[in-house]
Order: sequence, then structure tokens, then C-alpha cells
Amino acid sequence: DQQVKQNSPSLSVQEGRISILNCDYTNSMFDYFLWYKKYPAEGPTFLISISSIKDKNEDGRFTVFLNKSAKHLSLHIVPSQPGDSAVYFCAATLQGGSEKLVFGKGTKLTVNP
Amino acid sequence: NAGVTQTPKFQVLKTGQSMTLQCAQDMNHNSMYWYRQDPGMGLRLIYYSASEGTTDKGEVPNGYNVSRLNKREFSLRLESAAPSQTSVYFCASTRDSRSYNEQFFGPGTRLTVL
Repeated sequence: DQQVKQNSPSLSVQEGRISILNCDYTNSMFDYFLWYKKYPAEGPTFLISISSIKDKNEDGRFTVFLNKSAKHLSLHIVPSQPGDSAVYFCAATLQGGSEKLVFGKGTKLTVNP
Repeated sequence: NAGVTQTPKFQVLKTGQSMTLQCAQDMNHNSMYWYRQDPGMGLRLIYYSASEGTTDKGEVPNGYNVSRLNKREFSLRLESAAPSQTSVYFCASTRDSRSYNEQFFGPGTRLTVL
């Protein structure tokens, strides 16, 4: 049973436009959510996170929105740049810390020049 | 400051062979993790070590053993490799598993079991 779902395996956008990556979760006990970015042949790198007590968190071009009632979060990248082309993983953790991150399958973002 | 390092980067094994994947971090982190990533899948937790001297099973521990050698190093051992263990293995660390800190990942080890 997949607790964190990224239903879009891939997304293609034009440079300068907005990229929106979506993530749904089923476990209402999750209370902290993270996005990781992964380039080929590299390990994932942390991008941005949000606590369940918030509904929005911004860091430069990256904004994460959390809708707890819908068990849905999204990552917005504005404006998108070719260097943003990567696989993006959504992850969630239960109360108590990050000892057990549950990852989605990832969405491959391609930003076309 | 190298962050999280993993050796080897690539490995090919025959079914039944054993090997140890090495991981080290230089960030003075308390907690370390081993994940595997299969094609089209997210990362799945194999084992983790919340602090030096402790280890616990994750989601997919069967066929693996781990050793937290010291605060810096966390190794993953395959005693008798099987084709189902063909995967990319990532080691990660975080300052403290009891608080919300992001995990830092190594570059991965690509393992093929024939």
C-alpha cells in the first residue's frame, strides 16, 4: 500500500513558466513533508520542507503548499529553469522525527529552453 | 567537507556472493540510513541507525545486515546476493532522527547481481 503517491511520472514545461509537481498521501499521521531533487547518477538533495502546522513554505523560486484536508501537497517552481530538470521526490514522515521517511515514486521534470 | 561518501560506486556480483557497501559521513551526524531505489520506485528504507551503537530494521530489511562501526561509518552487508537485490543503494545521514532535519544522501552504489 503506497502511502505517498506521485501520480505523474513525468512533467514537461517551458523555461520561464511555472512547474507544479503534485503529491498525495494516505496516512493522516504524517506531520512533516519534504521534497528532494535528484539528478542522474547522484544522490537526492533536500529542496524544501513543510510542517503540518503550516499550509505554505517558500524558499526563493520554490514554494510548497500543503492541503491537509485533501492530504495533498504541491511544489511550485517559478520561474522554471533548464537546470531544474531532475526527478523530484516527495517524502513524508510520522511524528517523532525523520527516522523513517516514506518516499513517493518521483516525478521527472523536464524544463525545455 | 565531503558530506556522505559511499564505496564502491559500481559492483557486479554473482548470485550467492557476499559484499559490504561502505558509507561514511563527516558532518558529525548522529543518525544514518540505508535505502534502495529500484526503477520506477521511490527510495525504500532498508536499515537505519538512530545513534552510534543502535540499528533498526526499515521497510525492506530481508537479505541485509548492517553495522554502525562508529559515529562516522555505517556499512551494509549482503551475505548471499540474489538478483532481486539488483538496485541502487543510497546511504544518508541526519543530525538527529528525533527532530525534523533533512537527510543528506551519498552518491549511491549501483549493484548488479547476475
